Amino acid sequence: RKEVEQDPGPFNVPEGATVAFNCTYSNSASQSFFWYRQDCRKEPKLLMSVYSSGNEDGRFTAQLNRASQYISLLIRDSKLSDSATYLCVVKQDGGSQGNLIFGKGTKLSVKP
Amino acid sequence: GAVVSQHPSWVICKSGTSVKIECRSLDFQATTMFWYRQFPKQSLMLMATSNEGSKATYEQGVEKDKFLINHASLTLSTLTVTSAHPEDSSFYICSAPFGETQYFGPGTRLLVL
Repeated sequence: RKEVEQDPGPFNVPEGATVAFNCTYSNSASQSFFWYRQDCRKEPKLLMSVYSSGNEDGRFTAQLNRASQYISLLIRDSKLSDSATYLCVVKQDGGSQGNLIFGKGTKLSVKP
Repeated sequence: GAVVSQHPSWVICKSGTSVKIECRSLDFQATTMFWYRQFPKQSLMLMATSNEGSKATYEQGVEKDKFLINHASLTLSTLTVTSAHPEDSSFYICSAPFGETQYFGPGTRLLVL
């Protein structure tokens, strides 16, 4: 079983749609969780951290279920500029020095 | 957020040559930096952890004599791909920890002919 698994997509949605991505991780000792965004031929950029209580940043909502080892990202009112690959990322060690484990990413394409 | 730069942004070289990639943390110090590699349509894979003042830690399957890492200062780490071959062609990205996570450089695209 892969350490971080995501549906690769692509998710093709119209502008204004709501879209949800899911991710599962295998290591129950994982400490921290993030969603990164990666545009084509660019580096990953931090989108948001994911907390057990759930957190929201504008149109983006992230949820973590530790019992199920499941992470989600919800994007409301999709914009054309949201088109990118969304990476589910898990950090296994505590502190800032820990290694990040990346999922392969879910590709989102928002159409006019 | 923190800013990490990488140079060069792309390299085309002949097989057998060595290529040096620099990673700099611009507005913060980093005792540790990470080097990743990403092949097309694949996830980022950690190659090694660069440690200022000590030897780098390599992931399993990564040849330390081929991928030389030097963490010269608290703001600079370099990765040298020695005797590059076409199979080394990839997107190389560095990152540095800041706060609770890591910030990435813009990456270096290497093409070995």
